[in-house]
Amino acid sequence: GAVVSQHPSWVICKSGTSVKIECRSLDFQATTMFWYRQFPKQSLMLMATSNEGSKATYEQGVEKDKFLINHASLTLSTLTVTSAHPEDSSFYICSARDGTSGRGREFFGPGTRLTVL
Amino acid sequence: AQTVTQSQPEMSVQEAETVTLSCTYDTSESDYYLFWYKQPPSRQMILVIRQEAYKQQNATENRFSVNFQKAAKSFSLKISDSQLGDAAMYFCAYRSARGGANSKLTFGKGITLSVRP
Repeated sequence: GAVVSQHPSWVICKSGTSVKIECRSLDFQATTMFWYRQFPKQSLMLMATSNEGSKATYEQGVEKDKFLINHASLTLSTLTVTSAHPEDSSFYICSARDGTSGRGREFFGPGTRLTVL
Repeated sequence: AQTVTQSQPEMSVQEAETVTLSCTYDTSESDYYLFWYKQPPSRQMILVIRQEAYKQQNATENRFSVNFQKAAKSFSLKISDSQLGDAAMYFCAYRSARGGANSKLTFGKGITLSVRP
């Protein structure tokens, strides 16, 4: 099956610093990638939809200036948490859609655990 | 807006027994997909089974099968011959077939399944 990687798998940073998380589709081109946030024992919360070459579409309540998303190529999307604070500590998951229709399959990355001290 | 409801937060099953996880959803659309995802302690999201709404036949993947009742908007997952490795959080999810590649997954709250040896 298709593989999606995330880097780093975990990161610890100081409050006020910025952290970049990469999401790559390794063996297919993804015109659309999605970013989710997940708290322990809770469901995935969609943060934004990322399209190659265009601005991301953010879900209501997600601060676009805080969570910067760039989808520069068909295989790479990045999420930058700017001026991170302890409340941004969470598990961030990306997924990549294979194909351009709603029938495409979605593949998830392994997630990134962010801890802000 | 579509909603997915998983009303049972936790379930437990004896190894080798069968367990059924419930899921209901609400939509006004006729063409959509339903999914069950497994999230083990590693937190990697794994697709268990996928059902296309226009297909009457219930999807099956080895020990996993679904009972898809379109009129009742019910989509339950049956796990036969439960194994210790089945212990995980399971999420039911919905996705419209419209909206192209940007069509989003809507997740239920999830259910934690434990398997007793």
